[in-house]
Amino acid sequence: NAGVMQNPRHLVRRRGQEARLRCSPMKGHSHVYWYRQLPEEGLKFMVYLQKENIIDESGMPKERFSAEFPKEGPSILRIQQVVRGDSAAYFCASSPPGQGRTEAFFGQGTRLTVV
Amino acid sequence: AQRVTQPEKLLSVFKGAPVELKCNYSYSGSPELFWYVQYSRQRLQLLLRHISRESIKGFTADLNKGETSFHLKKPFAQEEDSAMYYCALSGIGGANNLFFGTGTRLTVIP
Repeated sequence: NAGVMQNPRHLVRRRGQEARLRCSPMKGHSHVYWYRQLPEEGLKFMVYLQKENIIDESGMPKERFSAEFPKEGPSILRIQQVVRGDSAAYFCASSPPGQGRTEAFFGQGTRLTVV
Repeated sequence: AQRVTQPEKLLSVFKGAPVELKCNYSYSGSPELFWYVQYSRQRLQLLLRHISRESIKGFTADLNKGETSFHLKKPFAQEEDSAMYYCALSGIGGANNLFFGTGTRLTVIP
């Protein structure tokens, strides 16, 4: 099991462009979480998804940000019209299905730089 | 609302000295608390969780509901313990959202 895979590891975008961050969960995991880490800050929860459903997006900015986890393929975090303040490390985590709280496994993150 | 506070951004101790990384939380229900660790150039990984009450790599953490704390302790620090440590809380019923503190960077001085 390769673990949670995120790509790209580093992404540079100019202001106004779109950024697409991908996350492939661990095999058998159907829950995906996205976190953002701004410089000098902790990880901030953004969104929690299960296959084809957004369960909790309370941490997502209201505009420009969206996330999906389709039936097939990776989860995508999409940032439209990026601004300098979007520069951060974005981490994805996954956990297996089932009731109760289980361990979440993290990817190595995507570092987005907006120039 | 849930909140996790790690008051120390940086902590340095000498090898062999005791270590305590502080974590306080606020949550109205019954939270589950975790410590995650991130070693240099590695991904974030679970160190321990309060419900398992186990010692991992010599670290322990006890949930103190009265003080709403979940401090991480180790009696004798090792150089390989140098890392970023994050306290996290999961509390929304049935879901696995983790809310993180800002982290403490532990440096163990040889």
